[in-house]
Amino acid sequence: DVKVTQSSRYLVKRTGEKVFLECVQDMDHENMFWYRQDPGLGLRLIYFSYDVKMKEKGDIPEGYSVSREKKERFSLILESASTNQTSMYLCASSSTSDTGELFFGEGSRLTVL
Amino acid sequence: QKEVEQDPGPLSVPEGAIVSLNCTYSNSAFQYFMWYRQYSRKGPELLMYTYSSGNKEDGRFTAQVDKSSKYISLFIRDSQPSDSATYLCAMSYYNTDKLIFGTGTRLQVFP
Repeated sequence: DVKVTQSSRYLVKRTGEKVFLECVQDMDHENMFWYRQDPGLGLRLIYFSYDVKMKEKGDIPEGYSVSREKKERFSLILESASTNQTSMYLCASSSTSDTGELFFGEGSRLTVL
Repeated sequence: QKEVEQDPGPLSVPEGAIVSLNCTYSNSAFQYFMWYRQYSRKGPELLMYTYSSGNKEDGRFTAQVDKSSKYISLFIRDSQPSDSATYLCAMSYYNTDKLIFGTGTRLQVFP
């Protein structure tokens, strides 16, 4: 089974803290994605990566950065967390040679106080 | 105007009902259409995948694409309480392209 693992399911941070969200996939997928999901707004793409050390901005990259040092791992970084970054964060991966299906992790619910 | 529009619901139906979930889209270049199901506090999982127009059936689920109307549907026959979830439509131009998601429709099937 494809597995996308997000290390933290629930986090509570304070405004201004640096936050790391880690994601690991075990299917040797080339592509990895970070989304945030908010009620009424659906899934919005933050960043994605088609290869190691490569990154592309999605629709809402402001306030976020990413790191992909290894193929299986894609990290989302909030340099200085703000209350409007309270959200559910979803990591996903896909294979370039397949249908484009995204395999999602279970999500990380971040609350910024 | 959003590229993909989806009624958020909630949609509440009795067990055994036929459910129809829909999305409209604005860009006629979309070719790949997907439906994802998301249970509470879980990540979305792919339910149905369709390329271009037509119907696709898988058990109790049927996905329909009408490109002339820019309208896609997911039908659930003999709905079960275990079908209670949020259903997200998604589409893309190419199979290697990023997906554009609808906001999701919350479905509740009561016994």
